[in-house]
Amino acid sequence: QSVLTQPPSASGTPGQRVTISCSGSRSNIGSNYVYWYQQIPGTAPKLLIYRNNQRPSGVPDRFSGSKSGTSASLAISGLRSEDEADYYCAAWDDSLSGYVFGTGTKVTVL
Amino acid sequence: QVQLQESGPGLVKPSQTLSLTCTVSGGSISSGSYYWSWIRQPAGKGLEWIGRIYTSGSTKYNPSLKSRVTISVDTSKNQFSLRLSSVTAADTAVYYCARDELDCSGGSCYGPLFDPWGQGTLVTVSS
Repeated sequence: QSVLTQPPSASGTPGQRVTISCSGSRSNIGSNYVYWYQQIPGTAPKLLIYRNNQRPSGVPDRFSGSKSGTSASLAISGLRSEDEADYYCAAWDDSLSGYVFGTGTKVTVL
Repeated sequence: QVQLQESGPGLVKPSQTLSLTCTVSGGSISSGSYYWSWIRQPAGKGLEWIGRIYTSGSTKYNPSLKSRVTISVDTSKNQFSLRLSSVTAADTAVYYCARDELDCSGGSCYGPLFDPWGQGTLVTVSS
């Protein structure tokens, strides 16, 4: 029961910039930080962005996150073939008193 | 480098209880400020948080699963476990365990900061 809404797919050619949106509500994105995960098919998800726009060490600066109101976005600049994966946003939801994930977006590199 | 590994039966009959264990290696489950979480993913679908435990034993569960879920911790074995009762085919999924770093500031805590994850284990509910 995903509470955060993402577009099912996004695509771009190598070198392009791709943006993925994540729409929530006041009880989750509107009140809390947003986190992003990358899942390459057949593998476990990997933390990509924390606290809206912070990158863990080892994550390329091609990945950036932002938040405004009850929505957040993940941008991938200089798209590369290895960026082909599923991307999920996540946040704490004050009403549910638990974590919620986005519906997921499949990024295809054309 | 902390690593997590899920283990347990890959096949569970409907109405029975699913039991999985996550073994933590490369560090103590009791050290640092971490929760320990379970997350699942049905084939071809998105991620669903199941619940988490602190080493004190304090737990928090997804409201949609709360009536059927129990998460426990065994610090002596460096493990934490998941039990999901009265399973149906809808519980068929890859189950992941993950370390969940406390991410707090200004008196509030956020997350989920899941890192690292286990490799995941497929549990099929079928007779």
